Amino acid sequence: DAKTTQPTSMDCAEGRAANLPCNHSTISGNEYVYWYRQIHSQGPQYIIHGLKNNETNEMASLIITEDRKSSTLILPHATLRDTAVYYCIVRVANQAAGNKLTFGGGTRVLVKP
Amino acid sequence: DSGVTQTPKHLITATGQRVTLRCSPRSGDLSVYWYQQSLDQGLQFLIQYYNGEERAKGNILERFSAQQFPDLHSELNLSSLELGDSALYFCASSALRGNTEAFFGQGTRLTVV
Repeated sequence: DAKTTQPTSMDCAEGRAANLPCNHSTISGNEYVYWYRQIHSQGPQYIIHGLKNNETNEMASLIITEDRKSSTLILPHATLRDTAVYYCIVRVANQAAGNKLTFGGGTRVLVKP
Repeated sequence: DSGVTQTPKHLITATGQRVTLRCSPRSGDLSVYWYQQSLDQGLQFLIQYYNGEERAKGNILERFSAQQFPDLHSELNLSSLELGDSALYFCASSALRGNTEAFFGQGTRLTVV
């Protein structure tokens, strides 16, 4: 699976959009971008994933650049409960790979009042 | 609630002992994954089972073993415990098809004293 690079930490203001960047310059054509988050020692929680098109769900939006070498997770209206470590993971999505995830260090996001 | 149940939530044991961690996957999920999260190593994939068969192996020590039973629940056995085995152990489950997400349990916090 391709390696990802994320900022170690970032702060954002409650009620504002939080934009979390991720670089994955060695991504292959069959690799998806997945985002998970982990709220203080709880189990990681799936947020969103995409291949090349932008995706949106009830939690967040995922913007993937045209060359697919980077992406941005957008939390549209950050709340204090969004304080967590956010992991960007790139992986092949097929039956052989299953859902084994390789976690990096992630970005520690602190939402401030 | 992810639908993945892990027991016990906390476990304190002495060095040299053996413990068993249990995981019940989400209804319908045939794949189970085990992860270890220690302070200095982050989230590390240990092992995956699919419908009772071992599917993938990660950084799992020889002192550790796992199995998945016919009812699809899984157990992670840790033996000859060392202080360094103290960590959070997470179980996740997913469908086997590739383009899907994993659901994590709330973890078992193991403390070896």
